[in-house]
Amino acid sequence: SQELEQSPQSLIVQEGKNLTINCTSSKTLYGLYWYKQKYGEGLIFLMMLQKGGEEKSHEKITAKLDEKKQQSSLHITASQPSHAGIYLCGADGGGSNYKLTFGKGTLLTVNP
Amino acid sequence: GAVVSQHPSWVICKSGTSVKIECRSLDFQATTMFWYRQFPKQSLMLMATSNEGSKATYEQGVEKDKFLINHASLTLSTLTVTSAHPEDSSFYICSATWGAGVYEQYFGPGTRLTVT
Repeated sequence: SQELEQSPQSLIVQEGKNLTINCTSSKTLYGLYWYKQKYGEGLIFLMMLQKGGEEKSHEKITAKLDEKKQQSSLHITASQPSHAGIYLCGADGGGSNYKLTFGKGTLLTVNP
Repeated sequence: GAVVSQHPSWVICKSGTSVKIECRSLDFQATTMFWYRQFPKQSLMLMATSNEGSKATYEQGVEKDKFLINHASLTLSTLTVTSAHPEDSSFYICSATWGAGVYEQYFGPGTRLTVT
């Protein structure tokens, strides 16, 4: 079964600083999904990556999928307190059941 | 677009009673819905996959007689926790996808269940 490892597990940054969260898969990724969760709430879909080398951006968040499609990184530029939360990466297995496997998440704290 | 709601947002029940949680896709038809359980500071654990009009597919280790799932329409799936016990206390989240090659899931806000 596919396993996703996220690093770091938690991260505290000062407002305005840049940061990167990594997601490494034990198998080739068919699709990699980034979500954000605030404690006690549902997940918000951020981005999906499918092609090796693909990079997508939304506001100050950029996600990349490496050429070998086994690792993705999420980069936040000039972090703000609104970026605080838990970031989870999810992967689909390429089958027809649409199931996603999730990493354990990275807890981001942004201090003002 | 792609809004999923859950009801109730939190519920407290006594041990031995049953609790029903609803998951609705508000602006799209969800061919597939998923039910997850999340413990504090842990990731999502998939419990079951629910397809409209057919029986749910449960993950290994999840008791199907305890967690009854019904996906009666393309916009509604329900999870019933039967004979709840304190160890069933958790955060339950549903998600939905419209299939047709679209894998990203859209999540509900979650339901906090506390069994006393």
